[in-house]
Amino acid sequence: DTGVSQDPRHKITKRGQNVTFRCDPISEHNRLYWYRQTLGQGPEFLTYFQNEAQLEKSRLLSDRFSAERPKGSFSTLEIQRTEQGDSAMYLCASSPNRVNTEAFFGQGTRLTVV
Amino acid sequence: ELKVEQNPLFLSMQEGKNYTIYCNYSTTSDRLYWYRQDPGKSLESLFVLLSNGAVKQEGRLMASLDTKARLSTLHITAAVHDLSATYFCAVAVRFGNEKLTFGTGTRLTIIP
Repeated sequence: DTGVSQDPRHKITKRGQNVTFRCDPISEHNRLYWYRQTLGQGPEFLTYFQNEAQLEKSRLLSDRFSAERPKGSFSTLEIQRTEQGDSAMYLCASSPNRVNTEAFFGQGTRLTVV
Repeated sequence: ELKVEQNPLFLSMQEGKNYTIYCNYSTTSDRLYWYRQDPGKSLESLFVLLSNGAVKQEGRLMASLDTKARLSTLHITAAVHDLSATYFCAVAVRFGNEKLTFGTGTRLTIIP
């Protein structure tokens, strides 16, 4: 098991375009999280899945953002009509369905909107 | 709304010295985590603190938790250059949900 995998690692897009990121969690991890990190800040929670169910969404997740985890394995995060303010590192994390265990983070996808 | 504050935000220290990073949070918490992040990289889990008075040590790093004071500390002993990184504390408040609220981070630079 190589840990949480995210693709792509870097994405440059023009304002107004749609982008989609993928996250493959650690095998058998039921929980999957998306966070966003801007320069010089700590990660901010976006959304959380338990298996295929999206259980919580942050107010940061505007209508332009949508996340899915169709079969309870990999997840996608789509941003429609990107804006310059969407430029950030998007981090995915996963954890097993056990209490008191930490989340393991992927390498992130760095999005630049020009 | 849960707030997590770290101080200092920036720390420059000489090799061999000791120092402490502080993490305060505003509401009762289940768990507190410390993560390390190198520039351009993801987050590496350092410590998981689960109860009042918990203390964990790994190499030159030691973390502690005081749930009554809502305070955690990360103590660095005899710093070496390899410890240069940004350190984040993160708090989880809901049992069974790993949603984390992060502090703003402490950027640590160790000077030879």
